[in-house]
Amino acid sequence: DGGITQSPKYLFRKEGQNVTLSCEQNLNHDAMYWYRQDPGQGLRLIYYSQIVNDFQKGDIAEGYSVSREKKESFPLTVTSAQKNPTAFYLCASSQGLSPLHFGNGTRLTVT
Amino acid sequence: KQEVTQIPAALSVPEGENLVLNCSFTDSAIYNLQWFRQDPGKGLTSLLLIQSSQREQTSGRLNASLDKSSGRSTLYIAASQPGDSATYLCAVLPSGGSYIPTFGRGTSLIVHP
Repeated sequence: DGGITQSPKYLFRKEGQNVTLSCEQNLNHDAMYWYRQDPGQGLRLIYYSQIVNDFQKGDIAEGYSVSREKKESFPLTVTSAQKNPTAFYLCASSQGLSPLHFGNGTRLTVT
Repeated sequence: KQEVTQIPAALSVPEGENLVLNCSFTDSAIYNLQWFRQDPGKGLTSLLLIQSSQREQTSGRLNASLDKSSGRSTLYIAASQPGDSATYLCAVLPSGGSYIPTFGRGTSLIVHP
């Protein structure tokens, strides 16, 4: 079945450590997105990529980094510069005007 | 800048009721509007996508309508069931080339037996 796989489902890190969240899709979609979701805040766009080897900052990119070396993969690194990294992170993909597809998310807890 | 608003923010209804969730957007220049369902701790599941040229889409007990000129969409759920309890989000895809969807904050629905 085609879809988006995010791993791990839960991630715990100590403050000051960088952590990388995985997002893999087998839908052959060109575009991929990372969102952050906090209670009462809705989805906020962190980074997006519309084609391999290219990506753009979203609304809240500070403290995050991404790469898009392969069409199917769009990993997100949460760096120690991110002030409040504890959140639910969602990865999505799309192709042109087709429906947006989401993974099941990664819940990151930093203590 | 496109803004998407969903009203009400929360809704609690008894099983069997027909209900309407609302989504409004400020810029009518859109390619499409998509409705999603999100269960607690999960990702978003696509329910319906309406292209800008369409007026409505139906899937089972769900019917979504779009009035682009007035910037409104509604999601109608017929004969609600406890299993419909979830958060429902809408997202609009703006025309003009960015292909970056804008999301509402969602309506949290509880259907009690």
